[in-house]
Amino acid sequence: DGGITQSPKYLFRKEGQNVTLSCEQNLNHDAMYWYRQDPGQGLRLIYYSQIVNDFQKGDIAEGYSVSREKKESFPLTVTSAQKNPTAFYLCASSTQGASTEAFFGQGTRLTVV
Amino acid sequence: EDQVTQSPEALRLQEGESSSLNCSYTVSGLRGLFWYRQDPGKGPEFLFTLYSAGEEKEKERLKATLTKKESFLHITAPKPEDSATYLCAVQGNTGGFKTIFGAGTRLFVKA
Repeated sequence: DGGITQSPKYLFRKEGQNVTLSCEQNLNHDAMYWYRQDPGQGLRLIYYSQIVNDFQKGDIAEGYSVSREKKESFPLTVTSAQKNPTAFYLCASSTQGASTEAFFGQGTRLTVV
Repeated sequence: EDQVTQSPEALRLQEGESSSLNCSYTVSGLRGLFWYRQDPGKGPEFLFTLYSAGEEKEKERLKATLTKKESFLHITAPKPEDSATYLCAVQGNTGGFKTIFGAGTRLFVKA
């Protein structure tokens, strides 16, 4: 089945540590996105990538980094510079171009302990 | 600045009690307005895309409509399995492929 797979589902991080969230898709989509979701707020865009080896900062990129070495993969690293990393992280993909809907993974819930 | 506001924040219905969810938006040149459904602890699931004022789309008990300033998601005779958070999002002519999401409406349908 085609889809987007995020792992792990739950992640616990100690303060000062970097952690990497995985996102893989087999939909042959060019564009991929990372969003952060906090209670009572809309999804906020962290980073997006329209093609391999290229990515752009979203609205809240500080403290995060990404790479896009393969079309299928778009991992997100939450660095120790992110002041408040506890949140629900969602990865999405879409076909290239505007006005296209996004397909989401099942999310990773990150908790700082 | 593109903006999306959804109301109400939460809506409680009895099974079979029809109602509507509102999505008000401000965008520079609408490319598309999207509705998603999100179950607790899951990723959003795509429902509809609307492109221009006057457009309507239906899926089972759901019907989405669009005007120049807002969109409505009408739920006819809801069932408990319709309970979820419904997200509205817009994509405008500025900002490349950025999509702006509203905070969502949490729908509870009681049997």
